[in-house]
Amino acid sequence: KQEVTQIPAALSVPEGENLVLNCSFTDSAIYNLQWFRQDPGKGLTSLLLIQSSQREQTSGRLNASLDKSSGRSTLYIAASQPGDSATYLCAACGAGSYQLTFGKGTKLSVIP
Amino acid sequence: GAVVSQHPSRVICKSGTSVKIECRSLDFQATTMFWYRQFPKKSLMLMATSNEGSKATYEQGVEKDKFLINHASLTLSTLTVTSAHPEDSSFYICSAANRGQETQYFGPGTRLLVL
Repeated sequence: KQEVTQIPAALSVPEGENLVLNCSFTDSAIYNLQWFRQDPGKGLTSLLLIQSSQREQTSGRLNASLDKSSGRSTLYIAASQPGDSATYLCAACGAGSYQLTFGKGTKLSVIP
Repeated sequence: GAVVSQHPSRVICKSGTSVKIECRSLDFQATTMFWYRQFPKKSLMLMATSNEGSKATYEQGVEKDKFLINHASLTLSTLTVTSAHPEDSSFYICSAANRGQETQYFGPGTRLLVL
Protein backbone atom coordinates (compact mmCIF):
# COMPACT_ATOMS: atom_id res chain seq x y z
CA LYS A 1 0.00 0.00 0.00
CA GLN A 2 1.38 3.37 -1.01
CA GLU A 3 2.17 5.78 1.79
CA VAL A 4 3.08 9.41 1.21
CA THR A 5 4.80 11.50 3.82
CA GLN A 6 5.43 15.21 3.75
CA ILE A 7 7.96 17.00 5.88
CA PRO A 8 7.72 19.43 7.53
CA ALA A 9 4.07 19.57 8.53
CA ALA A 10 4.32 23.34 8.86
CA LEU A 11 6.85 25.91 7.82
CA SER A 12 7.12 29.63 8.45
CA VAL A 13 9.58 31.75 6.49
CA PRO A 14 10.22 35.46 5.93
CA GLU A 15 9.25 36.93 2.60
CA GLY A 16 11.87 36.57 -0.12
CA GLU A 17 13.39 33.38 1.19
CA ASN A 18 13.84 30.30 -0.99
CA LEU A 19 12.40 27.12 0.47
CA VAL A 20 12.06 23.39 -0.13
CA LEU A 21 9.15 21.14 0.69
CA ASN A 22 9.75 17.42 0.90
CA CYS A 23 7.61 14.48 -0.10
CA SER A 24 8.46 10.79 0.18
CA PHE A 25 6.57 7.74 -1.02
CA THR A 26 7.00 4.08 -0.20
CA ASP A 27 6.07 2.43 -3.50
CA SER A 28 8.19 3.50 -6.44
CA ALA A 29 5.72 2.00 -8.94
CA ILE A 30 4.07 5.31 -9.68
CA TYR A 31 2.53 6.74 -12.80
CA ASN A 32 3.24 10.32 -11.81
CA LEU A 33 3.81 12.58 -8.83
CA GLN A 34 1.74 15.70 -8.37
CA TRP A 35 1.99 18.81 -6.24
CA PHE A 36 -1.07 20.80 -5.26
CA ARG A 37 -1.82 23.97 -3.42
CA GLN A 38 -4.73 24.12 -1.02
CA ASP A 39 -6.16 27.39 0.27
CA PRO A 40 -8.54 27.32 3.23
CA GLY A 41 -12.08 26.51 2.16
CA LYS A 42 -11.09 26.20 -1.48
CA GLY A 43 -10.57 23.35 -3.87
CA LEU A 44 -7.19 22.09 -4.90
CA THR A 45 -5.03 23.99 -7.33
CA SER A 46 -2.71 21.83 -9.34
CA LEU A 47 0.84 23.16 -9.40
CA LEU A 48 3.09 20.63 -11.09
CA LEU A 49 2.83 17.10 -12.42
CA ILE A 50 5.93 15.01 -12.97
CA GLN A 51 5.60 11.87 -15.04
CA SER A 52 7.45 8.83 -13.74
CA SER A 53 9.94 9.11 -16.60
CA GLN A 54 10.78 12.73 -15.81
CA ARG A 55 13.20 14.17 -13.27
CA GLU A 56 11.76 17.63 -12.80
CA GLN A 57 9.17 20.16 -13.85
CA THR A 58 9.25 23.93 -13.59
CA SER A 59 6.55 26.56 -13.54
CA GLY A 60 7.50 30.14 -12.75
CA ARG A 61 9.05 30.27 -9.29
CA LEU A 62 8.25 26.63 -8.65
CA ASN A 63 10.44 23.65 -9.42
CA ALA A 64 9.57 20.09 -8.54
CA SER A 65 11.99 17.20 -8.72
CA LEU A 66 11.38 13.47 -8.68
CA ASP A 67 13.73 10.67 -7.68
CA LYS A 68 11.69 7.54 -8.14
CA SER A 69 14.39 5.14 -7.01
CA SER A 70 14.68 6.79 -3.63
CA GLY A 71 10.98 7.56 -3.37
CA ARG A 72 11.40 11.28 -3.01
CA SER A 73 10.11 14.48 -4.51
CA THR A 74 10.84 18.06 -3.59
CA LEU A 75 9.05 21.29 -4.33
CA TYR A 76 11.34 24.30 -4.48
CA ILE A 77 9.80 27.76 -4.17
CA ALA A 78 12.03 30.67 -5.07
CA ALA A 79 11.71 34.17 -3.65
CA SER A 80 8.69 33.35 -1.52
CA GLN A 81 5.81 35.82 -1.25
CA PRO A 82 3.01 36.22 1.30
CA GLY A 83 0.61 35.04 -1.41
CA ASP A 84 2.39 31.69 -1.38
CA SER A 85 0.97 31.01 2.08
CA ALA A 86 -1.14 27.87 1.77
CA THR A 87 -1.02 24.14 2.35
CA TYR A 88 1.00 22.22 -0.22
CA LEU A 89 0.09 18.64 -0.97
CA CYS A 90 1.91 16.04 -2.92
CA ALA A 91 0.18 13.00 -4.32
CA ALA A 92 1.55 9.82 -5.86
CA CYS A 93 -0.44 8.30 -8.70
CA GLY A 94 -0.20 4.53 -8.63
CA ALA A 95 0.87 2.82 -11.83
CA GLY A 96 -1.92 0.55 -12.99
CA SER A 97 -4.47 1.66 -10.44
CA TYR A 98 -4.10 5.38 -11.22
CA GLN A 99 -5.30 6.12 -7.75
CA LEU A 100 -3.92 9.15 -6.00
CA THR A 101 -2.38 8.78 -2.58
CA PHE A 102 -1.95 12.12 -0.90
CA GLY A 103 0.41 13.27 1.78
CA LYS A 104 -0.99 15.26 4.66
CA GLY A 105 0.49 18.45 3.38
CA THR A 106 2.88 21.14 4.49
CA LYS A 107 1.32 24.33 5.74
CA LEU A 108 3.44 27.23 4.57
CA SER A 109 3.31 30.71 6.05
CA VAL A 110 5.31 33.47 4.38
CA ILE A 111 5.73 36.40 6.73
CA PRO A 112 5.79 39.88 5.14
CA GLY B 1 -9.85 9.13 11.26
CA ALA B 2 -11.05 11.42 8.47
CA VAL B 3 -11.53 8.75 5.83
CA VAL B 4 -13.26 9.41 2.56
CA SER B 5 -14.35 6.57 0.34
CA GLN B 6 -15.46 6.48 -3.26
CA HIS B 7 -17.51 3.88 -5.02
CA PRO B 8 -16.97 2.39 -7.47
CA SER B 9 -13.20 2.53 -7.83
CA ARG B 10 -13.49 1.60 -11.50
CA VAL B 11 -16.39 1.57 -13.90
CA ILE B 12 -16.71 0.75 -17.57
CA CYS B 13 -19.91 1.71 -19.33
CA LYS B 14 -21.36 2.05 -22.79
CA SER B 15 -21.77 5.39 -24.47
CA GLY B 16 -25.14 6.96 -23.70
CA THR B 17 -25.58 5.44 -20.27
CA SER B 18 -25.45 7.29 -16.95
CA VAL B 19 -22.97 6.55 -14.22
CA LYS B 20 -23.24 7.46 -10.56
CA ILE B 21 -20.19 7.88 -8.37
CA GLU B 22 -20.53 8.05 -4.60
CA CYS B 23 -18.31 9.93 -2.20
CA ARG B 24 -18.68 9.20 1.48
CA SER B 25 -17.07 10.63 4.58
CA LEU B 26 -16.82 7.64 6.87
CA ASP B 27 -16.11 9.13 10.25
CA PHE B 28 -16.88 12.83 10.07
CA GLN B 29 -19.55 15.16 8.81
CA ALA B 30 -18.70 16.75 5.51
CA THR B 31 -20.48 20.04 5.04
CA THR B 32 -18.53 20.65 1.84
CA MET B 33 -17.43 18.22 -0.83
CA PHE B 34 -15.35 18.90 -3.90
CA TRP B 35 -15.36 16.97 -7.15
CA TYR B 36 -12.32 16.85 -9.39
CA ARG B 37 -11.55 15.34 -12.77
CA GLN B 38 -8.21 14.31 -14.13
CA PHE B 39 -7.49 13.40 -17.73
CA PRO B 40 -4.52 11.18 -18.59
CA LYS B 41 -1.21 12.98 -18.15
CA LYS B 42 -3.05 16.09 -17.00
CA SER B 43 -3.41 17.64 -13.61
CA LEU B 44 -6.45 17.44 -11.42
CA MET B 45 -9.14 20.00 -12.24
CA LEU B 46 -11.86 21.15 -9.89
CA MET B 47 -15.30 20.53 -11.36
CA ALA B 48 -17.63 21.71 -8.63
CA THR B 49 -18.05 22.45 -4.96
CA SER B 50 -21.10 21.16 -3.15
CA ASN B 51 -22.41 22.23 0.21
CA GLU B 52 -24.80 19.98 2.07
CA GLY B 53 -28.38 20.88 1.38
CA SER B 54 -27.71 23.41 -1.36
CA LYS B 55 -26.96 23.41 -5.06
CA ALA B 56 -23.45 22.75 -6.21
CA THR B 57 -21.25 25.52 -7.55
CA TYR B 58 -19.73 24.53 -10.87
CA GLU B 59 -16.46 25.73 -12.29
CA GLN B 60 -16.42 27.49 -15.61
CA GLY B 61 -16.73 25.13 -18.52
CA VAL B 62 -18.34 22.31 -16.52
CA GLU B 63 -21.85 21.45 -17.71
CA LYS B 64 -24.34 21.34 -14.86
CA ASP B 65 -26.78 19.15 -16.75
CA LYS B 66 -24.04 16.76 -17.74
CA PHE B 67 -22.53 16.28 -14.30
CA LEU B 68 -25.26 16.15 -11.70
CA ILE B 69 -24.11 16.58 -8.13
CA ASN B 70 -26.21 15.79 -5.11
CA HIS B 71 -25.11 16.43 -1.54
CA ALA B 72 -28.20 15.45 0.39
CA SER B 73 -26.56 14.36 3.61
CA LEU B 74 -23.53 15.25 5.67
CA THR B 75 -21.77 12.03 4.75
CA LEU B 76 -22.66 11.46 1.12
CA SER B 77 -22.28 13.28 -2.16
CA THR B 78 -22.94 11.76 -5.56
CA LEU B 79 -21.75 12.69 -9.00
CA THR B 80 -23.82 11.40 -11.89
CA VAL B 81 -22.34 11.53 -15.36
CA THR B 82 -25.38 11.61 -17.61
CA SER B 83 -25.42 10.24 -21.17
CA ALA B 84 -21.74 9.43 -20.91
CA HIS B 85 -19.52 9.73 -23.95
CA PRO B 86 -15.98 8.45 -24.53
CA GLU B 87 -14.61 11.96 -23.90
CA ASP B 88 -15.99 11.70 -20.36
CA SER B 89 -13.53 8.91 -19.67
CA SER B 90 -11.42 10.24 -16.87
CA PHE B 91 -10.38 9.89 -13.27
CA TYR B 92 -12.84 11.46 -10.84
CA ILE B 93 -11.82 12.26 -7.27
CA CYS B 94 -13.75 13.83 -4.44
CA SER B 95 -12.67 15.50 -1.27
CA ALA B 96 -14.58 16.36 1.86
CA ALA B 97 -14.30 19.02 4.51
CA ASN B 98 -16.19 20.01 7.61
CA ARG B 99 -17.36 23.57 8.16
CA GLY B 100 -14.71 25.59 9.91
CA GLN B 101 -12.03 23.03 9.16
CA GLU B 102 -9.58 24.01 6.48
CA THR B 103 -8.34 20.50 5.87
CA GLN B 104 -9.81 18.53 3.00
CA TYR B 105 -9.73 14.77 2.96
CA PHE B 106 -9.56 13.03 -0.35
CA GLY B 107 -11.15 9.91 -1.69
CA PRO B 108 -9.09 7.40 -3.65
CA GLY B 109 -10.74 8.27 -6.95
CA THR B 110 -12.90 6.55 -9.53
CA ARG B 111 -11.66 5.54 -12.95
CA LEU B 112 -14.39 5.89 -15.57
CA LEU B 113 -14.04 4.38 -19.01
CA VAL B 114 -16.79 5.02 -21.53
CA LEU B 115 -16.75 2.75 -24.54
